[in-house]
Amino acid sequence: AQSVTQLDSHVSVSEGTPVLLRCNYSSSYSPSLFWYVQHPNKGLQLLLKYTSAATLVKGINGFEAEFKKSETSFHLTKPSAHMSDAAEYFCVVRANFGNEKLTFGTGTRLTIIP
Amino acid sequence: NAGVTQTPKFQVLKTGQSMTLQCAQDMNHEYMSWYRQDPGMGLRLIHYSVGAGITDQGEVPNGYNVSRSTTEDFPLRLLSAAPSQTSVYFCASSYLGRGGKETQYFGPGTRLLVL
Repeated sequence: AQSVTQLDSHVSVSEGTPVLLRCNYSSSYSPSLFWYVQHPNKGLQLLLKYTSAATLVKGINGFEAEFKKSETSFHLTKPSAHMSDAAEYFCVVRANFGNEKLTFGTGTRLTIIP
Repeated sequence: NAGVTQTPKFQVLKTGQSMTLQCAQDMNHEYMSWYRQDPGMGLRLIHYSVGAGITDQGEVPNGYNVSRSTTEDFPLRLLSAAPSQTSVYFCASSYLGRGGKETQYFGPGTRLLVL
């Protein structure tokens, strides 16, 4: 079994300040972890993924995430927020075994304050 | 490549009507899946397929049917629509065989309203 908990349903930051979106996971098997972004009325776009290689993963648009097995966390960060980062962000876990289904977190809405 | 395409983009149904949501991909992906997105609940898996002729249920399969006769297409059928099926539906696809490491690519979504 696997699950994902996004610890904040809504995060607000000022433009130019750091972004931190928190994600904890559980998985019976060694997981792959993903962050997807969804802009209003749009589909989902992959930001980055962890697949058991380097624990610090760099993605598009300056985002990165660090896989911490001991803390079962995969938090998403960005050093400096931009207005275009305003969107919904989903943390996702996929089992590295069996039918490889995705399990989504409930999402974090990121608001950027000008 | 067109990627993952979905039709229609928006649909209004009356309770009890039937319809098919279309999904197609041109990347030769073995794995295809359908999700529904509801406020505050993330995306939940409805049905998935690991290849032509093979389908299985996800987390919320009731009220939906699927089939997979070709690698490219994975339609989702609502046999008798209910207001509880008002949602945004996403189709996704990926390769298999690398232990879950493959990225799933999502279509643009179909917004369904059942009155």
